[in-house]
Amino acid sequence: NAGVMQNPRHLVRRRGQEARLRCSPVKGHSHVYWYRQLPEEGLKFMVYLQKENIIDESGMPKERFSAEFPKEGPSILRIQQVVRGDSAAYFCASSPQTANTEAFFGQGTRLTVV
Amino acid sequence: QKEVEQDPGPLSVPEGAIVSLNCTYSNSAFQYFMWYRQYSRKGPELLMYTYSSGNKEDGRFTAQVDKSSKYISLFIRDSQPSDSATYLCAMRTGANSKLTFGKGITLSVRP
Repeated sequence: NAGVMQNPRHLVRRRGQEARLRCSPVKGHSHVYWYRQLPEEGLKFMVYLQKENIIDESGMPKERFSAEFPKEGPSILRIQQVVRGDSAAYFCASSPQTANTEAFFGQGTRLTVV
Repeated sequence: QKEVEQDPGPLSVPEGAIVSLNCTYSNSAFQYFMWYRQYSRKGPELLMYTYSSGNKEDGRFTAQVDKSSKYISLFIRDSQPSDSATYLCAMRTGANSKLTFGKGITLSVRP
């Protein structure tokens, strides 16, 4: 039973380029969460999605960031026109539809903006 | 005031010691409490998950929740070098809602 799969594991982008981070949840999980971890800081919530719907995007920067979880395929976190401050580890977590169950995290994508 | 405060680190203990990790929170709406362990350059791994006030034990780990004091703890008995990692407390208000994390504490267990 595969866990949450994130790719790529490492991503280097030049300032101004686009970064696309992918997350395949655990099979059967319909809830996906994205978190960002900056050096020396804890994980910060970004966005919560269910299939084809954004449920909570209160942690998402208003500009340049977007997320989707289509009916088919992985969830995508997209960062346009990256800046050095976007360098961080981005983690995806998934949970099943059943309430009172915990989310399981992927290994993360480490984005470096040069 | 941050919603979740975690004791700062780092923390270094000898092998076999009892470790106590603590978090306080300000939002009384938090109902679910978790402890995650994160090894360097890896994703967080769920260690303990509790809902009600009181203690929950799993092997060498005990999670304690005191909702009246807004305080949670994780105790590690007979600590091992393999326990060396960053420990993150996390909590959420409802089923499937977002997790709010503490900043994490790095634990080092010396052989």
